[in-house]
Amino acid sequence: GAVVSQHPSRVICKSGTSVKIECRSLDFQATTMFWYRQFPKQSLMLMATSNEGSKATYEQGVEKDKFLINHASLTLSTLTVTSAHPEDSSFYICSARDQLRPGYTFGSGTRLTVV
Amino acid sequence: GQNIDQPTEMTATEGAIVQINCTYQTSGFNGLFWYQQHAGEAPTFLSYNVLDGLEEKGRFSSFLSRSKGYSYLLLKELQMKDSASYLCAVDQTGANNLFFGTGTRLTVIP
Repeated sequence: GAVVSQHPSRVICKSGTSVKIECRSLDFQATTMFWYRQFPKQSLMLMATSNEGSKATYEQGVEKDKFLINHASLTLSTLTVTSAHPEDSSFYICSARDQLRPGYTFGSGTRLTVV
Repeated sequence: GQNIDQPTEMTATEGAIVQINCTYQTSGFNGLFWYQQHAGEAPTFLSYNVLDGLEEKGRFSSFLSRSKGYSYLLLKELQMKDSASYLCAVDQTGANNLFFGTGTRLTVIP
């Protein structure tokens, strides 16, 4: 139980284009999902908290107009990286919490490369 | 604010025991998690401690002392596949998310 599905697993895009990443909770409902970014050999840094039916909460230093988050249902949150640049290349991971279980379940991650 | 410290790297021998320490300072505490992360993959849940003491799960054990702001992850009978990063994360009261340490990259050698 407590499975989180994340797509795509890898994406290469041209500088200036936008990329959408999906995060789905498959067997539980998640009113809140979390988006992390991880650069090589570094730990996970929380970017934003996605709230179903309301605006996302962004961490300090994260541009909300660049990283658009939509949480339209209890099982789906999307992160759109707009006008991507090479410095946005990173590993993006979502997570959600099943209230019936301890811990947060992570998606499989998305490796974004902007060329 | 919050601060979570772990050693950056550790090396241990196959079959041995290794202890990875984590110290934390947070304005609230609602539990501590350990995750394993292989390179290029998402973290996977290993353990959760909310009360003081030792939690054992097979080859992995985790210990917590809330008064000392200290936890450790103990790995026994190390296997080559245990080479990974181990992330200590604190569930901070009211924050509704996890704050991660920098992770400890463990290398198991023959």
